[in-house]
Amino acid sequence: DADVTQTPRNRITKTGKRIMLECSQTKGHDRMYWYRQDPGLGLRLIYYSFDVKDINKGEISDGYSVSRQAQAKFSLSLESAIPNQTALYFCATSDARSNQPQHFGDGTRLSIL
Amino acid sequence: GQQLNQSPQSMFIQEGEDVSMNCTSSSIFNTWLWYKQDPGEGPVLLIALYKAGELTSNGRLTAQFGITRKDSFLNISASIPSDVGIYFCAGTRETSGSRLTFGEGTQLTVNP
Repeated sequence: DADVTQTPRNRITKTGKRIMLECSQTKGHDRMYWYRQDPGLGLRLIYYSFDVKDINKGEISDGYSVSRQAQAKFSLSLESAIPNQTALYFCATSDARSNQPQHFGDGTRLSIL
Repeated sequence: GQQLNQSPQSMFIQEGEDVSMNCTSSSIFNTWLWYKQDPGEGPVLLIALYKAGELTSNGRLTAQFGITRKDSFLNISASIPSDVGIYFCAGTRETSGSRLTFGEGTQLTVNP
């Protein structure tokens, strides 16, 4: 079983729709992150959370919002999707106590028409 | 914007050849990480480096944390077809805590 699970794995939707991407983890990590991957640009940080109720903007937060409902869950929302938000989205986790590198989920491929 | 410059962007090599890729930055980094991404999957950690000058191996992979703390390289020896994928460098800066900055990635193709 995956330690970091992202749902859905693929989503196609229309401009203007509200979309939620879910991330759950069984690693017991306190820190969670959302990234966006575009070809040739690597991964860019959207939002991150160091604990429940802690939310911080990353490099490219405009057009996105997040919710940390529990330590194991971190969801990313696009309130009104636009085509240039078409990308691969990754969730990651890390543990402040062990200082180990971030561990990634398998991603959500989002297409906005 | 992007803080890490990764090169080359892509490489096409024959099986058995050695590979080298690197990342540079104008900023000082506290940690350097190398990840590999296979199609349809998330990045998987290959090597983590925590000290300037550190040289670490993981099987056929070797990576080094540059003395200036502004660069790192990854070498792959005797490449095999399953080495195909995208390799990313990433690091944490002094002012960024655990937040990672990623390079743009190196797409590696290995011809049998």
